[in-house]
Amino acid sequence: GQNIDQPTEMTATEGAIVQINCTYQTSGFNGLFWYQQHAGEAPTFLSYNVLDGLEEKGRFSSFLSRSKGYSYLLLKELQMKDSASYLCAVLNQAGTALIFGKGTTLSVSS
Amino acid sequence: DTGVSQDPRHKITKRGQNVTFRCDPISEHNRLYWYRQTLGQGPEFLTYFQNEAQLEKSRLLSDRFSAERPKGSFSTLEIQRTEQGDSAMYLCASSLTGGSNTGELFFGEGSRLTVL
Repeated sequence: GQNIDQPTEMTATEGAIVQINCTYQTSGFNGLFWYQQHAGEAPTFLSYNVLDGLEEKGRFSSFLSRSKGYSYLLLKELQMKDSASYLCAVLNQAGTALIFGKGTTLSVSS
Repeated sequence: DTGVSQDPRHKITKRGQNVTFRCDPISEHNRLYWYRQTLGQGPEFLTYFQNEAQLEKSRLLSDRFSAERPKGSFSTLEIQRTEQGDSAMYLCASSLTGGSNTGELFFGEGSRLTVL
C-alpha cells in the first residue's frame, strides 16, 4: 500500500521562502504530485515529478529523491494568497488513481 | 464554463435517507474519479471510471455506496441509508489517460453532505 507523511501546519511571512516536505512509502512508484487547496475550494494541480531532481515552475519548485522516498515543495517570494493546504500525492501501484497525504496547512502572515 | 461541475453543492439529509450526487466531467476526459474529504484530511480515493467502466473501488466504498457512469460522460454517486459518518465533501475529478495526465486531476467544487 501507500503511506504519505507531511507536516500538519507551517507558518511563514510574506516574501520569505518555505519548504514543505513529504515522505512516502509505496509498493510501486509511478510519480509524485503536489496540489494546492484553498479553504473551501477544490484542489488544483501544482507539479509532477517522476525522475529525481528539481522541477521549477515560477515561484514554485518541486524536488524528488526516489531512493529516499522524499519530496519537497519550495515556495519562493511568499504572498498572502499562498495561504492554503498543500497536498502531496502518489499514484497507486496500478498507476490508476492518486493517493493523497493529509496535507500541510500553510499560513502566510504580513 | 468547461470545468468539472457537481450537483448539488450542498445536501442536508436525515440519517437513513438516500442521496445522489451528479458529476459532469470535462468533456474530452475519459477518466472520472470520486473522492471523499473530511475536515483536516486529504481527499480519500473512492472509485474511478475509464469511460463507462468502473475499474477500481476502494475498500472505503461500502455496499451502501454505488457509482455509475452509464454513457461514459456524467457520473452519479448514490449513498443508501446514510449514516452520520458519511458527512463529508464528495469530490469528483476527471483526467486524461497516460503519463503525467493520469495524475493531473481536475476537480469539481464538491458536494458537501451533512447527515443529521
